[in-house]
Amino acid sequence: GQQVQQSPASLVLQEGENAELQCNFSSTATRLQWFYQRPGGSLVSLLSNPSGTKHTGRLTSTTVTKERRGSLHISSSQITDSGTYLCAMERSSSFSKLVFGQGTSLSVVP
Amino acid sequence: SVLLYQKPNRDICQSGTSLKIQCVADSQVVSMFWYQQFQEQSLMLMATANEGSEATYESGFTKDKFPISRPNLTFSTLTVNNARPGDSSIYFCSSSLGGETLYFGSGTRLTVL
Repeated sequence: GQQVQQSPASLVLQEGENAELQCNFSSTATRLQWFYQRPGGSLVSLLSNPSGTKHTGRLTSTTVTKERRGSLHISSSQITDSGTYLCAMERSSSFSKLVFGQGTSLSVVP
Repeated sequence: SVLLYQKPNRDICQSGTSLKIQCVADSQVVSMFWYQQFQEQSLMLMATANEGSEATYESGFTKDKFPISRPNLTFSTLTVNNARPGDSSIYFCSSSLGGETLYFGSGTRLTVL
Protein backbone atom coordinates (compact mmCIF):
# COMPACT_ATOMS: atom_id res chain seq x y z
CA GLY A 1 0.00 0.00 0.00
CA GLN A 2 0.89 3.64 -0.03
CA GLN A 3 3.40 4.53 2.65
CA VAL A 4 4.96 7.69 3.95
CA GLN A 5 7.96 7.37 6.23
CA GLN A 6 9.20 10.24 8.35
CA SER A 7 12.48 10.58 10.16
CA PRO A 8 13.59 11.10 12.78
CA ALA A 9 10.66 9.93 14.91
CA SER A 10 11.64 12.45 17.55
CA LEU A 11 14.11 15.27 17.90
CA VAL A 12 15.29 17.47 20.75
CA LEU A 13 16.88 20.80 19.94
CA GLN A 14 18.23 23.66 21.92
CA GLU A 15 16.58 26.94 21.17
CA GLY A 16 18.23 28.57 18.17
CA GLU A 17 19.37 25.33 16.53
CA ASN A 18 18.15 24.26 13.11
CA ALA A 19 16.12 21.13 12.35
CA GLU A 20 15.91 18.99 9.25
CA LEU A 21 12.93 16.66 9.01
CA GLN A 22 12.77 13.99 6.33
CA CYS A 23 9.87 12.44 4.45
CA ASN A 24 10.08 9.49 2.06
CA PHE A 25 7.17 8.05 0.16
CA SER A 26 6.66 4.78 -1.62
CA SER A 27 4.85 5.82 -4.78
CA THR A 28 4.32 8.73 -7.13
CA ALA A 29 3.06 11.85 -5.41
CA THR A 30 1.63 14.97 -6.96
CA ARG A 31 2.49 17.09 -3.95
CA LEU A 32 3.87 16.95 -0.41
CA GLN A 33 2.10 18.76 2.39
CA TRP A 34 3.59 19.62 5.76
CA PHE A 35 1.39 20.07 8.83
CA TYR A 36 2.01 21.05 12.44
CA GLN A 37 0.12 19.55 15.37
CA ARG A 38 0.31 20.44 19.06
CA PRO A 39 -0.26 17.52 21.48
CA GLY A 40 -3.96 16.82 21.45
CA GLY A 41 -4.52 19.70 19.07
CA SER A 42 -5.67 20.29 15.56
CA LEU A 43 -3.52 20.38 12.45
CA VAL A 44 -2.26 23.52 10.80
CA SER A 45 -1.05 23.53 7.22
CA LEU A 46 2.54 24.77 6.95
CA LEU A 47 3.60 24.32 3.34
CA SER A 48 2.34 22.68 0.20
CA ASN A 49 5.04 21.78 -2.29
CA PRO A 50 4.74 19.80 -5.53
CA SER A 51 8.45 20.02 -6.32
CA GLY A 52 11.50 22.17 -5.72
CA THR A 53 11.94 24.50 -2.79
CA LYS A 54 9.43 26.73 -1.03
CA HIS A 55 9.92 29.09 1.89
CA THR A 56 7.69 30.64 4.46
CA GLY A 57 9.20 32.44 7.42
CA ARG A 58 11.72 30.14 9.09
CA LEU A 59 10.46 27.10 7.20
CA THR A 60 11.87 25.69 3.97
CA SER A 61 10.29 22.74 2.21
CA THR A 62 12.15 20.79 -0.46
CA THR A 63 10.42 18.14 -2.54
CA VAL A 64 12.15 15.84 -5.04
CA THR A 65 9.23 13.87 -6.40
CA LYS A 66 11.15 11.64 -8.78
CA GLU A 67 13.33 10.52 -5.87
CA ARG A 68 10.22 10.19 -3.68
CA ARG A 69 11.54 12.31 -0.87
CA GLY A 70 11.02 15.63 0.78
CA SER A 71 12.32 17.61 3.73
CA LEU A 72 11.32 20.43 6.04
CA HIS A 73 14.02 22.70 7.38
CA ILE A 74 13.28 24.79 10.47
CA SER A 75 15.81 27.50 11.11
CA SER A 76 16.54 29.19 14.44
CA SER A 77 14.15 26.97 16.35
CA GLN A 78 11.98 28.44 19.10
CA ILE A 79 10.36 26.80 22.09
CA THR A 80 6.97 27.43 20.52
CA ASP A 81 8.00 25.25 17.55
CA SER A 82 7.64 22.19 19.80
CA GLY A 83 5.02 19.74 18.60
CA THR A 84 4.54 17.14 15.89
CA TYR A 85 5.33 17.74 12.24
CA LEU A 86 3.43 15.60 9.80
CA CYS A 87 4.24 15.02 6.18
CA ALA A 88 1.43 13.99 3.83
CA MET A 89 1.58 12.77 0.26
CA GLU A 90 -1.10 13.65 -2.27
CA ARG A 91 -1.74 10.87 -4.73
CA SER A 92 -3.98 12.93 -6.96
CA SER A 93 -4.66 16.58 -7.61
CA SER A 94 -7.26 16.72 -4.88
CA PHE A 95 -7.08 16.18 -1.16
CA SER A 96 -9.19 13.06 -1.49
CA LYS A 97 -6.07 10.90 -1.68
CA LEU A 98 -3.90 12.24 1.14
CA VAL A 99 -1.60 9.78 2.95
CA PHE A 100 0.08 10.87 6.17
CA GLY A 101 3.35 9.85 7.74
CA GLN A 102 3.72 9.05 11.43
CA GLY A 103 5.18 12.44 12.21
CA THR A 104 8.31 13.82 13.83
CA SER A 105 7.94 14.93 17.42
CA LEU A 106 10.05 18.03 17.99
CA SER A 107 10.98 19.38 21.39
CA VAL A 108 12.81 22.68 21.61
CA VAL A 109 14.36 23.35 25.00
CA PRO A 110 15.94 26.51 26.44
CA SER B 1 -9.35 30.34 4.77
CA VAL B 2 -12.19 28.23 6.12
CA LEU B 3 -12.94 27.58 9.78
CA LEU B 4 -14.28 24.17 10.74
CA TYR B 5 -16.14 23.77 14.02
CA GLN B 6 -16.46 20.32 15.47
CA LYS B 7 -18.59 19.17 18.32
CA PRO B 8 -18.36 17.62 20.72
CA ASN B 9 -14.70 18.24 21.60
CA ARG B 10 -14.69 15.02 23.57
CA ASP B 11 -17.05 12.22 24.30
CA ILE B 12 -17.05 9.13 26.46
CA CYS B 13 -19.49 6.37 25.60
CA GLN B 14 -20.22 2.78 26.43
CA SER B 15 -19.47 -0.08 24.08
CA GLY B 16 -22.32 -0.82 21.74
CA THR B 17 -23.72 2.68 21.66
CA SER B 18 -23.67 5.16 18.77
CA LEU B 19 -22.52 8.72 18.75
CA LYS B 20 -22.53 11.60 16.31
CA ILE B 21 -19.79 14.08 15.55
CA GLN B 22 -20.75 17.29 13.81
CA CYS B 23 -18.63 19.50 11.58
CA VAL B 24 -19.71 22.97 10.51
CA ALA B 25 -17.80 25.15 8.05
CA ASP B 26 -18.01 28.93 8.11
CA SER B 27 -18.18 28.98 4.29
CA GLN B 28 -19.41 26.65 1.59
CA VAL B 29 -17.01 23.87 0.70
CA VAL B 30 -17.31 21.19 -1.93
CA SER B 31 -15.72 18.27 -0.13
CA MET B 32 -15.36 17.42 3.51
CA PHE B 33 -12.94 14.75 4.64
CA TRP B 34 -13.03 12.73 7.81
CA TYR B 35 -9.85 11.45 9.44
CA GLN B 36 -9.10 9.13 12.34
CA GLN B 37 -5.99 9.50 14.47
CA PHE B 38 -4.91 7.05 17.13
CA GLN B 39 -2.68 8.41 19.84
CA GLU B 40 0.87 9.15 18.68
CA GLN B 41 0.06 7.82 15.24
CA SER B 42 -0.64 8.96 11.73
CA LEU B 43 -3.95 10.26 10.43
CA MET B 44 -6.01 7.88 8.35
CA LEU B 45 -8.45 9.19 5.77
CA MET B 46 -11.80 7.58 6.48
CA ALA B 47 -14.04 9.04 3.80
CA THR B 48 -14.76 11.93 1.48
CA ALA B 49 -18.20 13.52 1.65
CA ASN B 50 -19.73 15.71 -1.04
CA GLU B 51 -23.12 17.37 -0.85
CA GLY B 52 -26.06 15.29 -1.93
CA SER B 53 -24.16 12.10 -2.62
CA GLU B 54 -23.03 9.10 -0.64
CA ALA B 55 -19.67 9.41 0.99
CA THR B 56 -16.73 7.59 -0.56
CA TYR B 57 -15.04 5.36 1.99
CA GLU B 58 -11.41 4.30 2.15
CA SER B 59 -10.30 0.74 2.70
CA GLY B 60 -11.02 -0.40 6.24
CA PHE B 61 -13.96 1.96 6.77
CA THR B 62 -17.58 1.18 5.94
CA LYS B 63 -20.77 3.17 5.79
CA ASP B 64 -22.48 0.73 8.13
CA LYS B 65 -19.93 1.41 10.85
CA PHE B 66 -19.26 5.09 10.08
CA PRO B 67 -22.24 6.58 8.26
CA ILE B 68 -21.62 10.12 7.07
CA SER B 69 -24.20 12.68 6.08
CA ARG B 70 -23.56 15.78 3.99
CA PRO B 71 -26.89 17.56 3.66
CA ASN B 72 -25.48 20.90 2.49
CA LEU B 73 -22.24 22.68 1.64
CA THR B 74 -21.40 23.74 5.20
CA PHE B 75 -22.31 20.73 7.31
CA SER B 76 -21.38 17.09 7.80
CA THR B 77 -22.01 14.50 10.46
CA LEU B 78 -19.96 11.39 11.21
CA THR B 79 -21.68 8.68 13.21
CA VAL B 80 -19.82 5.90 14.99
CA ASN B 81 -22.14 2.92 15.23
CA ASN B 82 -21.79 0.08 17.73
CA ALA B 83 -18.79 1.80 19.27
CA ARG B 84 -15.96 -0.42 20.54
CA PRO B 85 -12.85 0.40 22.59
CA GLY B 86 -10.84 0.06 19.37
CA ASP B 87 -12.72 3.10 18.01
CA SER B 88 -11.22 5.27 20.75
CA SER B 89 -9.24 7.90 18.87
CA ILE B 90 -9.46 11.47 17.66
CA TYR B 91 -11.72 12.22 14.72
CA PHE B 92 -11.08 15.25 12.52
CA CYS B 93 -13.07 16.82 9.76
CA SER B 94 -11.18 18.77 7.12
CA SER B 95 -11.77 20.69 3.94
CA SER B 96 -10.25 23.10 1.49
CA LEU B 97 -11.37 26.00 -0.66
CA GLY B 98 -9.92 24.41 -3.77
CA GLY B 99 -6.42 25.76 -3.28
CA GLU B 100 -3.32 24.18 -1.83
CA THR B 101 -4.30 24.44 1.84
CA LEU B 102 -6.20 21.80 3.78
CA TYR B 103 -7.96 23.04 6.92
CA PHE B 104 -8.82 20.91 9.92
CA GLY B 105 -11.41 21.08 12.64
CA SER B 106 -10.34 21.02 16.26
CA GLY B 107 -10.98 17.31 16.55
CA THR B 108 -13.25 15.11 18.66
CA ARG B 109 -11.55 12.86 21.18
CA LEU B 110 -13.61 9.73 21.62
CA THR B 111 -13.19 7.25 24.45
CA VAL B 112 -15.21 4.04 24.31
CA LEU B 113 -15.47 2.14 27.58
